[in-house]
Amino acid sequence: GAGVSQSPSNKVTEKGKDVELRCDPISGHTALYWYRQSLGQGLEFLIYFQGNSAPDKSGLPSDRFSAERTGGSVSTLTIQRTQQEDSAVYLCASSYPGLVGAYNEQFFGPGTRLTVL
Amino acid sequence: AQKVTQAQTEISVVEKEDVTLDCVYETRDTTYYLFWYKQPPSGELVFLIRRNSFDEQNEISGRYSWNFQKSTSSFNFTITASQVVDSAVYFCALSYSGNTPLVFGKGTRLSVIA
Repeated sequence: GAGVSQSPSNKVTEKGKDVELRCDPISGHTALYWYRQSLGQGLEFLIYFQGNSAPDKSGLPSDRFSAERTGGSVSTLTIQRTQQEDSAVYLCASSYPGLVGAYNEQFFGPGTRLTVL
Repeated sequence: AQKVTQAQTEISVVEKEDVTLDCVYETRDTTYYLFWYKQPPSGELVFLIRRNSFDEQNEISGRYSWNFQKSTSSFNFTITASQVVDSAVYFCALSYSGNTPLVFGKGTRLSVIA
């Protein structure tokens, strides 16, 4: 079946503009994660959704970042008043919760490369 | 807090050489999971292996092998007879249970030269 998809694949914006990044998880996957990959910082967790709820937002770097998920499926990550340090690849992953306590593999999308000029 | 350290930022080897990528982790959890992911130039993260904390058996898959040692909190990855197609960034990661975020190391960029 189809994997995790993200759009756009590339986004160039000017400093101060708002951007929206979209993630379509694998059908049936109720868990959804956003990560950010910055040069020199590796992969950092941003936010985790279970269904439409976000029990862990601890990785969001500032209040300019927000995310929502609707219908237990598509998620949108919004960055307001973008800054140059927001330039990074934003990765989305999804997993099927399965059994409690069992590990459920995260499947990653191709990412959105954001460049803030 | 959980932490993953990949001390090797970049490694360059000649084709057919063996190479080991180091991963050291920190966690207070007694149950946890360790992973390796490959990120080729195309950018997509490719899952390679998962190991839970109760299973210290080493694993071999073709040219890949993994050495998990709880005593030293290490989960090292060896590629035998490296090939140019192995050139990628490799990430080690840690999670304390299912459905929790992965904590990644900063990655090791492996270049295999023909």
